[in-house]
Amino acid sequence: GAGVSQSPSNKVTEKGKDVELRCDPISGHTALYWYRQSLGQGLEFLIYFQGNSAPDKSGLPSDRFSAERTGGSVSTLTIQRTQQEDSAVYLCASTWGRDTQYFGPGTRLTVL
Amino acid sequence: GENVEQHPSTLSVQEGDSAVIKCTYSDSASNYFPWYKQELGKGPQLIIDIRSNVGEKKDQRIAVTLNKTAKHFSLHITETQPEDSAVYFCAASINFNKFYFGSGTKLNVKP
Repeated sequence: GAGVSQSPSNKVTEKGKDVELRCDPISGHTALYWYRQSLGQGLEFLIYFQGNSAPDKSGLPSDRFSAERTGGSVSTLTIQRTQQEDSAVYLCASTWGRDTQYFGPGTRLTVL
Repeated sequence: GENVEQHPSTLSVQEGDSAVIKCTYSDSASNYFPWYKQELGKGPQLIIDIRSNVGEKKDQRIAVTLNKTAKHFSLHITETQPEDSAVYFCAASINFNKFYFGSGTKLNVKP
């Protein structure tokens, strides 16, 4: 019974570079969420995948952000041409749809 | 969409005292209300939740109350301990489709 895992745990990149953040949800969970948490702040919703439905991308802050979920399991959040304001902790959560969310430990992204 | 407000933003209590954190929500269709505890450097973890067909739920030192008419719900922690120090988030959801979070409360329990 592994929980939600995320990789890398920390990522330091230079402004303008692209980054990919990975989330492995709990096996069998049909829904997957990405959130962003800036230092000392709350959770900002980014994107939501539910089964085979089209993802809810309403929280993505710009077209530099995209996410995909392959085979209904692993998800990758991609940030292109990173900016310093993208520095934050990116959290992933999953649920089987009739239960609460289970969060991963997050990826701390630092853009220099 | 749903809007969840959480108060206070910071709360400092003496060990052994009680702590209360309050949240309000805007969408009367919300029917699931979880509370999460986030320790430094970790992801949020569920500590207790309540569904709209229940007014109160208790788990040892933690309880949650829900007032659907007023659209508010509260977290109560009794006999606080230093290890309760963390950031607490409330959330609201309609049928587990998308979760709307409060802004968080930093709880400090002084020994």
